[in-house]
Amino acid sequence: NAGVTQTPKFRVLKTGQSMTLLCAQDMNHEYMYWYRQDPGMGLRLIHYSVGEGTTAKGEVPDGYNVSRLKKQNFLLGLESAAPSQTSVYFCASLPRSYNSPLHFGNGTRLTVT
Amino acid sequence: AQKITQTQPGMFVQEKEAVTLDCTYDTSDPSYGLFWYKQPSSGEMIFLIYQGSYDQQNATEGRYSLNFQKARKSANLVISASQLGDSAMYFCAMRDDSSYGNNRLAFGKGNQVVVIP
Repeated sequence: NAGVTQTPKFRVLKTGQSMTLLCAQDMNHEYMYWYRQDPGMGLRLIHYSVGEGTTAKGEVPDGYNVSRLKKQNFLLGLESAAPSQTSVYFCASLPRSYNSPLHFGNGTRLTVT
Repeated sequence: AQKITQTQPGMFVQEKEAVTLDCTYDTSDPSYGLFWYKQPSSGEMIFLIYQGSYDQQNATEGRYSLNFQKARKSANLVISASQLGDSAMYFCAMRDDSSYGNNRLAFGKGNQVVVIP
């Protein structure tokens, strides 16, 4: 199994450009998440989804949109990128079972100039 | 209010020595799970160990053990016989029902560990 796959791994954008980060999981997990990681800030939740067709805001949702049209995919969109969105983005998935850990993708390093 | 607290500054540990990373948590839910993750300089998040709130024994996974003190609400990670490859950031996380309906994890800000030869 591939687990959680994120694409792309790296991306450089100019201010104002848009892009979509793709996350795919092959474990049939119900829940999916997008985090950003910045130095000294730990992991901060952007948006999450508790099932196909549902999404919800996390701690830092401004400037991002998400969609979960299929259970296995969770897309994160930046409509108009800003330098403050320079970060490492992690996708993760979680099954319902209580003692299961969060499964992470390998991250996307995004730089906005 | 912060649910997971990791306050230690960056730590240096001698190779082959043991190191303890502190984690305290806050929840009113009797049922919860505690997790530790490792993030090496390559960036990936690696799951290390899990402790359930009703588990009678402290969790162990190879050189990793979790010192779970429920009354004190602490879940410290102990790494025995440190290796150079243990140099990384370590994150404590909790999953409970009280705030998130059992579908989210709260993360601490992490502990940086550097193992020196």
